[in-house]
Amino acid sequence: EIVMTQSPATLSVSPGERATLSCRASQNVHSNLAWYQQKPGQAPRLLIYSASTRATGIPARFSGSGSGTEFTLTISSLQSEDFAVYYCQHCNNWPWTFGQGTKVEIK
Amino acid sequence: QVQLVQSGAEVKKPGASVKVSCKASGYTFTSYYMDWVRQAPGQGLEWMGMITPSGGSTSYAQKFQGRVTMTKDTSTSTVYMELRSLRSEDTAVYYCARVDGGRYHYWGQGTLVTVSS
Repeated sequence: EIVMTQSPATLSVSPGERATLSCRASQNVHSNLAWYQQKPGQAPRLLIYSASTRATGIPARFSGSGSGTEFTLTISSLQSEDFAVYYCQHCNNWPWTFGQGTKVEIK
Repeated sequence: QVQLVQSGAEVKKPGASVKVSCKASGYTFTSYYMDWVRQAPGQGLEWMGMITPSGGSTSYAQKFQGRVTMTKDTSTSTVYMELRSLRSEDTAVYYCARVDGGRYHYWGQGTLVTVSS
């Protein structure tokens, strides 16, 4: 199975600053990658799919890039509601696997 | 609107089984695969397997092979996930999630399963 590795594990950012989260796949997943946001006690929320397409209703401050094995989620100017855990997930072949998550916390 | 409504929290003893349901509404039930994903306390997301509501075909993560069964009831637009021989490590929130061409746009609210003696 494909192993997804996210870095860093925790990112401390001040409101209004830019956050850059990384995700690496152990094999080529092309652009078959999604990003999710999860807040405590809630189900994950789809942010980005096909590596760079924002899901419906997702603010433009969220952007995704990359292909192959290296991917990035960028939050251009962090708002208070963006402090959460972010997961990447490949969907190139079964089983789909998730990264271990990056927690974005208030600095 | 699309909704996935799961059954309530469960407390089970080690060695027992649990069956979690996920009732779909707001779309054609047989048109989308459904996956099950679990999350242990303070941990990440783990894919368990999938079912095709149209034909009932399943695919399970190797880790759960032999212990999990996913089924569906088309008449009620409900999918089920049964996990047997429960152990403490199975304590987690279990989610159903609709497969939308390579992503999960819709998730159930989650079902907490606690395994404790």
